[in-house]
Amino acid sequence: QQPVQSPQAVILREGEDAVINCSSSKALYSVHWYRQKHGEAPVFLMILLKGGEQKGHEKISASFNEKKQQSSLYLTASQLSYSGTYFCGTLDRGSTLGRLYFGRGTQLTVWP
Amino acid sequence: DGGITQSPKYLFRKEGQNVTLSCEQNLNHDAMYWYRQDPGQGLRLIYYSQIVNDFQKGDIAEGYSVSREKKESFPLTVTSAQKNPTAFYLCASSIDIGWYGYTFGSGTRLTVV
Repeated sequence: QQPVQSPQAVILREGEDAVINCSSSKALYSVHWYRQKHGEAPVFLMILLKGGEQKGHEKISASFNEKKQQSSLYLTASQLSYSGTYFCGTLDRGSTLGRLYFGRGTQLTVWP
Repeated sequence: DGGITQSPKYLFRKEGQNVTLSCEQNLNHDAMYWYRQDPGQGLRLIYYSQIVNDFQKGDIAEGYSVSREKKESFPLTVTSAQKNPTAFYLCASSIDIGWYGYTFGSGTRLTVV
């Protein structure tokens, strides 16, 4: 049930764009996105609840394709502060367990 | 301010010892979780609890134990049966995982010496 994230790592220059993908083999109720700075706790970015839903958070947005059981995180005009490891967490549809499954993470590095 | 407090920040354990990691929250969240993080592995669930006096095993519960006697507290004990306990441990809580995200504590880094 662990979702698969791609790519594993991304290196960008400031101002460039990036896309991080998250796919599951299970039907999903929701997808969560988190960012973790080195040595710190993950921070919640957003949750996507409906198929096709897109959400935005400054220049970071995400989409959720329910049919394909996929979500993508879009980082536009990246800033140095965007560096970190991004995790998607998935909640399986119909699950009564009340827990997320996390991908292995995508390490994003933004250079000046 | 509301949040989750984990202590200690760093912990060293000798072979054969049990150690307990503390997790306290004042967010009034019902659900609490313990995750283990190793480099390149992502976050793996150890135990979770959706209500007081009830908890469930996660994906890697062997060698760990928990209790949930109060809503605010969810301590994790790493027993001597856990053969490779060196890792970063994260506690999290949520008011409703179907609608809201996790709030994480700042973590405890456990090292076996």
